[in-house]
Amino acid sequence: DAKTTQPNSMESNEEEPVHLPCNHSTISGTDYIHWYRQLPSQGPEYVIHGLTSNVNNRMASLAIAEDRKSSTLILHRATLRDAAVYYCTRGTSYGKLTFGQGTILTVHP
Amino acid sequence: DGGITQSPKYLFRKEGQNVTLSCEQNLNHDAMYWYRQDPGQGLRLIYYSQIVNDFQKGDIAEGYSVSREKKESFPLTVTSAQKNPTAFYLCASSILGQGSQPQHFGDGTRLSIL
Repeated sequence: DAKTTQPNSMESNEEEPVHLPCNHSTISGTDYIHWYRQLPSQGPEYVIHGLTSNVNNRMASLAIAEDRKSSTLILHRATLRDAAVYYCTRGTSYGKLTFGQGTILTVHP
Repeated sequence: DGGITQSPKYLFRKEGQNVTLSCEQNLNHDAMYWYRQDPGQGLRLIYYSQIVNDFQKGDIAEGYSVSREKKESFPLTVTSAQKNPTAFYLCASSILGQGSQPQHFGDGTRLSIL
């Protein structure tokens, strides 16, 4: 079962943009790319998802490579509340999400 | 406020005992999921259900059982056959059981062995 690959950790300063990368080189043509974030002892929170086109919502932007082998989650202005573990996942045709180990994002004031 | 409620927040199991984790949603979602999370790891799918009275095994179903008698409820039983049950258990739901739908998660149940 193909997993996604993300850096173990990243750091950012408050009010700066953050680009979180994800590799999913074996993703199938019908799998969606989802991003979730998780705080300690809480359930994951949905951030954004997409299939082929770039996506924007109030929380973030998702840039998907043309070959769909990678994607980047963009937080336009990081805040301290954005510090969390970010998971890039694949959403299969029956809704299963395949999680990797995620990226721990640290935001410095 | 719509959402997913998991209970209890903490649960302790004795050797040889079955325990049941509750998951209720009032989002009117058709699909529901159970995941297990071990420390420092991502989530792994245990069972999922796309419709009432139907469910399928996920990647790590051994030692677990589920039922889906009502749309809003999807309880998970951790049986004595699950030899390493200590973990954080998360329930989720989505409008439909499709990859195009985001999942909404509860706040989890932490299970430990006495």
